[in-house]
Amino acid sequence: QLQLQESGPGLVKPSETLSLTCTVSGGSISSSSYYWGWIRQPPGKGLEWIGSIYYSGSTYYNPSLKSRVTISVDTSKNQFSLKLSSVTAADTAVYYCARHRRWIAAAPLGWFDPWGQGTLVTVSS
Amino acid sequence: EIVLTQSPGTLSLSPGERATLSCRASQSVSSSYLAWYQQKPGQAPRLLIYGASSRATGIPDRFSGSGSGTDFTLTISRLEPEDFAVYYCQQYGSSPGLTFGGGTKVEIK
Repeated sequence: QLQLQESGPGLVKPSETLSLTCTVSGGSISSSSYYWGWIRQPPGKGLEWIGSIYYSGSTYYNPSLKSRVTISVDTSKNQFSLKLSSVTAADTAVYYCARHRRWIAAAPLGWFDPWGQGTLVTVSS
Repeated sequence: EIVLTQSPGTLSLSPGERATLSCRASQSVSSSYLAWYQQKPGQAPRLLIYGASSRATGIPDRFSGSGSGTDFTLTISRLEPEDFAVYYCQQYGSSPGLTFGGGTKVEIK
């Protein structure tokens, strides 16, 4: 059964770069049927898609975050990573990684299943 | 960007009752590319429905999805104690600009 696990610092200073890694176990990140995505949830609020990556390195980003986000993949380690630069308190959230169903050419990104347990990242000095 | 509006914000019901949750899109969602998720406190979301009406693996048949265009519904036919949670819709018809709704909390009356 596929499992995803987020890891990284729980506290980041304002203006610095948030870095998280998602390790995939129980399956290959190199599957042709899936992208691999990051989603975040500020405390007490709703869900926001950050971006997704294919094993080849092809990426899609949320336009509202695109200028600050970089997602990369390491197929040899079955991992993918998130970097979010110039963070502020508004970036404080639980960050989830998830398998992202690859859909059709006209709408390449589908639904998320399964999700990692999530990791809380607080931006504070 | 397609904006998804979920209503009501909170639904207060008793176990055994029927729950009807709405997700309305600001513009038509292509080919009913809409998913529903359940989230319990302290847990990650869990996929319930994709393609507006297809149940994900292992999801009980008391959960059903319907709708097309701009109006979608998640129905829980008879609420079980474990169904009290927050539910989110997500559209992927206009990906890569995919978006989530703001959520509906189903609470015990």
